Amino acid sequence: AQSVTQLGSHVSVSEGALVLLRCNYSSSVPPYLFWYVQYPNQGLQLLLKYTSAATLVKGINGFEAEFKKSETSFHLTKPSAHMSDAAEYFCAVSGSSGYSTLTFGKGTMLLVSP
Amino acid sequence: SQTIHQWPATLVQPVGSPLSLECTVEGTSNPNLYWYRQAAGRGLQLLFYSVGIGQISSEVPQNLSASRPQDRQFILSSKKLLLSDSGFYLCAWSPYRSEKLFFGSGTQLSVL
Repeated sequence: AQSVTQLGSHVSVSEGALVLLRCNYSSSVPPYLFWYVQYPNQGLQLLLKYTSAATLVKGINGFEAEFKKSETSFHLTKPSAHMSDAAEYFCAVSGSSGYSTLTFGKGTMLLVSP
Repeated sequence: SQTIHQWPATLVQPVGSPLSLECTVEGTSNPNLYWYRQAAGRGLQLLFYSVGIGQISSEVPQNLSASRPQDRQFILSSKKLLLSDSGFYLCAWSPYRSEKLFFGSGTQLSVL
């Protein structure tokens, strides 16, 4: 069984500041980990994914995440926030069996102020 | 290229009325198909998934049902809607034996 905990339902940053969105997971099997972004009234788009290759994963729009097995974490970061980054971000985990039933976290709304 | 279509985008229905949401995928064959519900403050909840025509797995017992009459068509239904069925419903697909999901644009359902 897998579960995901996203710390903080809302995170506020200023434009140009570091973005850090936290995700901790629990999995009984080696996990695959994902970050998705959702803009208002839209579906989800994949930002990046970890599938047991490099532990530092680079995604679209300048985001990256680091898989830390010892901390069971997969935090999402971006060095400099842009206004267009304002959206809801979801962390998700699946087993690495090749069959994808993802378990999602509750989401973190990122607010970016000028 | 593959595309996923989900409709309608918004729907307002009275309590007790039926529901039918449709999702189709183009440009691929034998996809895995999923229905998720997103309720405010509760993240995404997997409702149903399907690995083939007529094969439906339910993750959460509820007032809803799903059907897959064709390889690339996935339908979410209810005979009688409840207030608690309100939410944002997302259809998604993934390639066979792949962990990557592609989402539709969602349906905002309001049950009044």
